[in-house]
Amino acid sequence: GAVVSQHPSWVICKSGTSVKIECRSLDFQATTMFWYRQFPKQSLMLMATSNEGSKATYEQGVEKDKFLINHASLTLSTLTVTSAHPEDSSFYICSALTSTGTNSPLHFGNGTRLTVT
Amino acid sequence: QKEVEQNSGPLSVPEGAIASLNCTYSDRVSQSFFWYRQYSGKSPELIMSIYSNGDKEDGRFTAQLNKASQYVSLLIRDSQPSDSATYLCAVNLGYSTLTFGKGTMLLVSP
Repeated sequence: GAVVSQHPSWVICKSGTSVKIECRSLDFQATTMFWYRQFPKQSLMLMATSNEGSKATYEQGVEKDKFLINHASLTLSTLTVTSAHPEDSSFYICSALTSTGTNSPLHFGNGTRLTVT
Repeated sequence: QKEVEQNSGPLSVPEGAIASLNCTYSDRVSQSFFWYRQYSGKSPELIMSIYSNGDKEDGRFTAQLNKASQYVSLLIRDSQPSDSATYLCAVNLGYSTLTFGKGTMLLVSP
C-alpha cells in the first residue's frame, strides 16, 4: 500500500518552455503532498507543501510564480516549472503522508529528472 | 532551530560486517522516527520506522531509539554491496512534514 506515482520519470526541455510534473497517490487520499528538489550529491530540499483545494505553501527562496503547484483532488498534485532555465535542471520528487497523524511516514514518488537545455 | 543531524560519511565497511548509522535530533517531544535509503539517482524509500525507546528489528535492519539522549541509530547486519546507498534519518519535529538529516553515505566493499 501507500504508492505514490510520479510522471514523467525524466524530461528534457528547451530553455524558456514549461514542464508539468504529476504526482498521484494511487491507493490512498492525500490532503497534503510535498515537493522536493535535489541537486546532484546534495540533500533533499523541501520546495513547497501542496494542500488540496487551497494554495500551496512555499519554502523561503522558492519562487511561487516559477514553480506553480495545483492540488485539484485528493489524489493528484502537479508541479509546473515555468520558463525553465538550465539552473532548474534537477531531480524533483513528490511525496505524501498517508494520514495526518504524527506517526505517518512520508511516501515518495520515483522522482522526475529534469534537464533544461 | 529544530534539526536533524547525521554524519555525512562516507562510512566504509567490508561485506559481512555490521554498519552503524547514527542520527541526533534537537526536539525532545518528537514521537516518530524513520530511516530512508536512497540509491544514487533514485528517490528515498522507507526502510524502518520506530516510535518507542529500544530496539526494533526487521530482517538485517535494527533501529534503536533513545529519546532521553535524542539519538536514533540504524544497524545493518551482514552488510552487502547492495546496501551501498545514502541513508536518511527523518524525524517528526512538529512541522507539517518530516525533517530530514543530510544523510550518511554507506559504502560496502566486496
